[in-house]
Amino acid sequence: KAGVTQTPRYLIKTRGQQVTLSCSPISGHRSVSWYQQTPGQGLQFLFEYFSETQRNKGNFPGRFSGRQFSNSRSEMNVSTLELGDSALYLCASSGDTQYFGPGTRLTVL
Amino acid sequence: GEDVEQSLFLSVREGDSSVINCTYTDSSSTYLYWYKQEPGAGLQLLTYIFSNMDMKQDQRLTVLLNKKDKHLSLRIADTQTGDSAIYFCAESPNYSGGYQKVTFGIGTKLQVIP
Repeated sequence: KAGVTQTPRYLIKTRGQQVTLSCSPISGHRSVSWYQQTPGQGLQFLFEYFSETQRNKGNFPGRFSGRQFSNSRSEMNVSTLELGDSALYLCASSGDTQYFGPGTRLTVL
Repeated sequence: GEDVEQSLFLSVREGDSSVINCTYTDSSSTYLYWYKQEPGAGLQLLTYIFSNMDMKQDQRLTVLLNKKDKHLSLRIADTQTGDSAIYFCAESPNYSGGYQKVTFGIGTKLQVIP
């Protein structure tokens, strides 16, 4: 069974730009969660999607958004990037248990 | 809101046992997890325990839960250099067809000295 894949693995953007990250969950998993990991704040929950619906949301500004497609693949979008958005963005796929992808390292200059 | 606390750093000698501790505040926590993160990698689920259990053992890993004190610990027996990583304690209030919202601790960096 293939694991959780995230693309791209690395991204460099400048302030004010927007970015879209992609996550493909494990086949058969319908729940996808997104987390932001930074050295100062640790792992923070962004949102969770289940069957194309956002089921839970963390405390992030509206610049952070996401969606899930009918094949369970999920994307998250960050608009008007700020320096503080530099982080490792982790996607987790859930079925019987939760599996994480390798993450996308976003650097905002 | 939910909060999970753990110490930042632990150093042990190869072959010794490691014990990583964690406390949580949410009394409705149903699932408690330990994840491992190696440099440059995502999180690997090591083990989890239901809140109605006191202990779970899986090879070199032993998880102890004191629900009254909301204290969780992970013991790694015969610690190896390959165990060097950051260990995250996490909790989830419920489970219904997929994990809804998992709250993580800041992570404990385990350093294993050869």
